[in-house]
Amino acid sequence: RKEVEQDPGPFNVPEGATVAFNCTYSNSASQSFFWYRQDCRKEPKLLMSVYSSGNEDGRFTAQLNRASQYISLLIRDSKLSDSATYLCVVGAYKLSFGAGTTVTVRA
Amino acid sequence: DAGITQSPRYKITETGRQVTLMCHQTWSHSYMFWYRQDLGHGLRLIYYSAAADITDKGEVPDGYVVSRSKTENFPLTLESATRSQTSVYFCASSESQPPDRPNEQFFGPGTRLTVL
Repeated sequence: RKEVEQDPGPFNVPEGATVAFNCTYSNSASQSFFWYRQDCRKEPKLLMSVYSSGNEDGRFTAQLNRASQYISLLIRDSKLSDSATYLCVVGAYKLSFGAGTTVTVRA
Repeated sequence: DAGITQSPRYKITETGRQVTLMCHQTWSHSYMFWYRQDLGHGLRLIYYSAAADITDKGEVPDGYVVSRSKTENFPLTLESATRSQTSVYFCASSESQPPDRPNEQFFGPGTRLTVL
């Protein structure tokens, strides 16, 4: 079983829509949770950390469910520039990266 | 503010040749990492280093060698390149961290390596 599993998508949404997706992780001892964004096989860039109580950063909301071992990302009012692959990253003693969820926002 | 850089950005080589990929960071981060990224796989850890002169294997270390004589540099060497090592290689760094709570990592721009 992979340490971090994500639905690869793609999620095709119109501008202005809300899109949400999850990832699941297998190591219950995980303490660090992040969402990264990756454009066209460029380097991954940190989008946001994910905290136990959930957190927002502008149009992005992340939630953590430790009991069910998943984290989620919700994007409100989607922009064309949100088109990217979103990597779920989870860590206990090291970070493990999901293969990514692709989001395409269309005009 | 250069951050983290990698060179070369693109490399084509032949099977059996030795190749070294360079990584340099200006933040004085303690930790440095090498990943490879292939279609259908997430980032897979090759080697990492917690400090100068301290390195350890990751998930897919076979065929690779690393060294870290200075905090800012972390070169990755393919001793005898194989076609299966064709990939995109990312270097990353992070600050010191508690043992069980890894910090976010910052990535270099990547090196696209093709082995013919």
